[in-house]
Amino acid sequence: ETGVTQSPTHLIKTRGQQVTLRCSSQSGHNTVSWYQQALGQGPQFIFQYYREEENGRGNFPPRFSGLQFPNYSSELNVNALELDDSALYLCASSLGQRTGELFFGEGSRLTVL
Amino acid sequence: DAKTTQPNSMESNEEEPVHLPCNHSTISGTDYIHWYRQLPSQGPEYVIHGLTSNVNNRMASLAIAEDRKSSTLILHRATLRDAAVYYCILTSPDQTGANNLFFGTGTRLTVIP
Repeated sequence: ETGVTQSPTHLIKTRGQQVTLRCSSQSGHNTVSWYQQALGQGPQFIFQYYREEENGRGNFPPRFSGLQFPNYSSELNVNALELDDSALYLCASSLGQRTGELFFGEGSRLTVL
Repeated sequence: DAKTTQPNSMESNEEEPVHLPCNHSTISGTDYIHWYRQLPSQGPEYVIHGLTSNVNNRMASLAIAEDRKSSTLILHRATLRDAAVYYCILTSPDQTGANNLFFGTGTRLTVIP
């Protein structure tokens, strides 16, 4: 087991609503990354947090935001949900911000109606 | 981002070796080659990585061409549990936020009993 846990595992929202997804990183890991995976596609990088600060961001609008807490757990917040936000959201933790060796959780599947 | 090219799909018989190719002709001198795989309904799983020399671990072997423009992931004896999408990814540890992994669409490996 990777030790990365995400919640909730599944959720359904409607357009315009807001959602918060949570992630507990593997013990000792200080870096958290979030990815979005649409059906049939590979995961896409949203952003990374290291020492509670965002230090890398992919091509996602500002309505995608996040937090990292002192215990290295993290949240992903998405405002003003759109239908295209329906996807599997994956959290990954790593020991350090530049290792390339990530440990992924099983994801939160979001459906926007 | 330096990109990789992989076949969309491959098949292998159970208990036979599998060679998964990856081309990365624009790789830079400091880029690492990472392989991840994603089993159905799970998050991606780290498999192996290397820089210049061939690498072995309990899961697989990574053979890197001398000019580093291509690499091959080798599963020595495919099992049904190895059926997954395999992603070849280049990472740049010199860059902040280097955990921004570009997954692409990967190679879907089917293992035939």
